[in-house]
Amino acid sequence: DTAVSQTPKYLVTQMGNDKSIKCEQNLGHDTMYWYKQDSKKFLKIMFSYNNKELIINETVPNRFSPKSPDKAHLNLHINSLELGDSAVYFCASSYRGETQYFGPGTRLLVL
Amino acid sequence: GIQVEQSPPDLILQEGANSTLRCNFSDSVNNLQWFHQNPWGQLINLFYIPSGTKQNGRLSATTVATERYSLLYISSSQTTDSGVYFCAVERSGNQFYFGTGTSLTVIP
Repeated sequence: DTAVSQTPKYLVTQMGNDKSIKCEQNLGHDTMYWYKQDSKKFLKIMFSYNNKELIINETVPNRFSPKSPDKAHLNLHINSLELGDSAVYFCASSYRGETQYFGPGTRLLVL
Repeated sequence: GIQVEQSPPDLILQEGANSTLRCNFSDSVNNLQWFHQNPWGQLINLFYIPSGTKQNGRLSATTVATERYSLLYISSSQTTDSGVYFCAVERSGNQFYFGTGTSLTVIP
């Protein structure tokens, strides 16, 4: 009955590879988000998406792209992975931008 | 983007003590939320509080939007309150900006 789920929980990969992280919410929310948390615990928004609009944080490299097959899913695709991409990635969702519910996070390590 | 500052950065409390965490932000906002990240990394929403005061058990929060700050009160702290507390604000476009957090350790 997990409200916001992410897969995989852990991801170890080589530099240059392409990877995806999946996110699903079963709360009926209309907005989903992706965040990056670095080694110093700083949380930065990457994307927010509702049915009408994708908003991209201008600091996010274009190697990162969100894909939403339907309202309940917002997957994160990363091309040409770099060492600096190592972090914990969190998906979240909300209804009309109010209370956000976070997934458990995906710990990405790029070697 | 909006600057969000939290204080104190670190806090150590004896079990049973009370504390106040502060969040200052640099511009008017539509949305403010408080989160707790537990030692296992899970982020839990504590309050959605763009203005006013809310209470939930031993926790309460107050946002004074006109003065651009919010306070989180923890009373009778317990070891399970340990973790990092974040505030996050949004001005427009569902773009949330997080503060650097307050790391709380409650010792028995």
